[in-house]
Amino acid sequence: SYELTQPPSVSVSPGQRATITCSGDALSRHHAHWYQQKAGQAPVVVMYRDTERPSGIPERFSGSSSGTKVTLTISGVLAEDEADYYCQSLDNGGTSWVFGGGTKVTVL
Amino acid sequence: EVRLLESGGDLVQPGGSLRLSCAASGFTFSSHTMSWVRQAPGKGLEWVSSISGGAGNTFNADSVKGRFTISRDNSKNTLYLQMNSLRVEDTAVYYCAKENSDYAGSLDPWGQGTLVTVSS
Repeated sequence: SYELTQPPSVSVSPGQRATITCSGDALSRHHAHWYQQKAGQAPVVVMYRDTERPSGIPERFSGSSSGTKVTLTISGVLAEDEADYYCQSLDNGGTSWVFGGGTKVTVL
Repeated sequence: EVRLLESGGDLVQPGGSLRLSCAASGFTFSSHTMSWVRQAPGKGLEWVSSISGGAGNTFNADSVKGRFTISRDNSKNTLYLQMNSLRVEDTAVYYCAKENSDYAGSLDPWGQGTLVTVSS
C-alpha cells in the first residue's frame, strides 16, 4: 500500500528553524496538506496545497514542494510549536487519503 | 462557528458492532464532503472513510472495507460510521472532519473525537 514517509522526530532550540519532510511517489501528482496535533487535542491544518497557509496560522509556518517531497518549515520556533505534525495526500489512485507517520517536534 | 461533535464511542467485544455519530453545525452540511479519521493509542492518524455531500460517493480504507459503512443524514446534519465485525486493532479515537473547499479539500475543522475500545 502507498506510504508517505516522515522523520519520526525533529528537535530544535527556540528561535531556530524546524524542517519536516514528507516523501511519497504520488506527491509529484497530488498536493499535500499538513496538520499540527498538540497533546490531547484534535489536529489542526497548518498548511494546505503544499504552500498555502490557512487564516490564523502564523507566518513562521511555510511550505514547499519539489518532486516527490514536500516540506513544512517553522522559522523562529516557539515553545508552543511543540507538537506532532502529519502530512496528508492522495494515493496513486487518487481516491484514498493517506497520512504520513507523523513527526514529533521537540523544542529544547 | 463550525462545530463537529462525535458520539457513540464505547467498549465493545471483538466481533461486535457500534455506530458513531457526528453532529455538525455552523455550515451548510449537505455541501461538504465529510471524513472519518482514527488514531490508535500512541499512534499516528489513519484515514478511514469519506462521503460526498450528496452521499453519492463513498470511499473507504482497505483496512475497513466490508466492515465499516459511512453514511449521512443531511436533514439532520449528521454523519455516521457503522462499524461491524470489530477487531482489537480498531481500538482508536475516531474523529470526524469536514473537507474544507476553501483550503483545497484539507480536513478542517475536526471534532474532539470519540473513543472506541475493542476488547474482551
